[in-house]
Amino acid sequence: QKEVEQNSGPLSVPEGAIASLNCTYSDRGSQSFFWYRQYSGKSPELIMFIYSNGDKEDGRFTAQLNKASQYVSLLIRDSQPSDSATYLCAVLGYSTLTFGKGTMLLVSP
Amino acid sequence: KAGVTQTPRYLIKTRGQQVTLSCSPISGHRSVSWYQQTPGQGLQFLFEYFSETQRNKGNFPGRFSGRQFSNSRSEMNVSTLELGDSALYLCASTSRTGDTGELFFGEGSRLTVL
Repeated sequence: QKEVEQNSGPLSVPEGAIASLNCTYSDRGSQSFFWYRQYSGKSPELIMFIYSNGDKEDGRFTAQLNKASQYVSLLIRDSQPSDSATYLCAVLGYSTLTFGKGTMLLVSP
Repeated sequence: KAGVTQTPRYLIKTRGQQVTLSCSPISGHRSVSWYQQTPGQGLQFLFEYFSETQRNKGNFPGRFSGRQFSNSRSEMNVSTLELGDSALYLCASTSRTGDTGELFFGEGSRLTVL
């Protein structure tokens, strides 16, 4: 059973701080990793993906991947109240995308 | 460019009934996936269709079925509804032809089973 684990939160950070969201996965053969953001009452939207070990930056977002530790993280710099949402980690194994249950992020003004 | 369109958005059924949900992918997208989302289990993969063929199937009972038409539109059907089938059913499409996690989701169909 392939598993993707995330802390459900909520993770509360003040506006302007760095939010760090973490995810671990069980399938060592997984190759691709994705972060989706889901606002309350809305559908998930893809915000980042990472395929190689290391960091990948896109604006205020940085995805980090450590395949040896089976660990993926998402850093959000200069957090804004509009970043308040549930962040879903997703891992692509053999033909199947498995989602974690998500971490709720709350950014207070 | 229109996004993924799902209909109906909301529906209420009773136990034992069946339901059919529809999904129109983004124009040009040939792969359509279906997911069930519940507060307790999160997003769970149901199945994926590409060019009218089911490529992958999740761990759901046979009451859950789907199909894809030649225009890439997809339907999923749930027969003999159970209370536990109450969920948000999300459809996602992608332009990728191979395995990918780069999905575009529709707004979902919220099913309530009474």
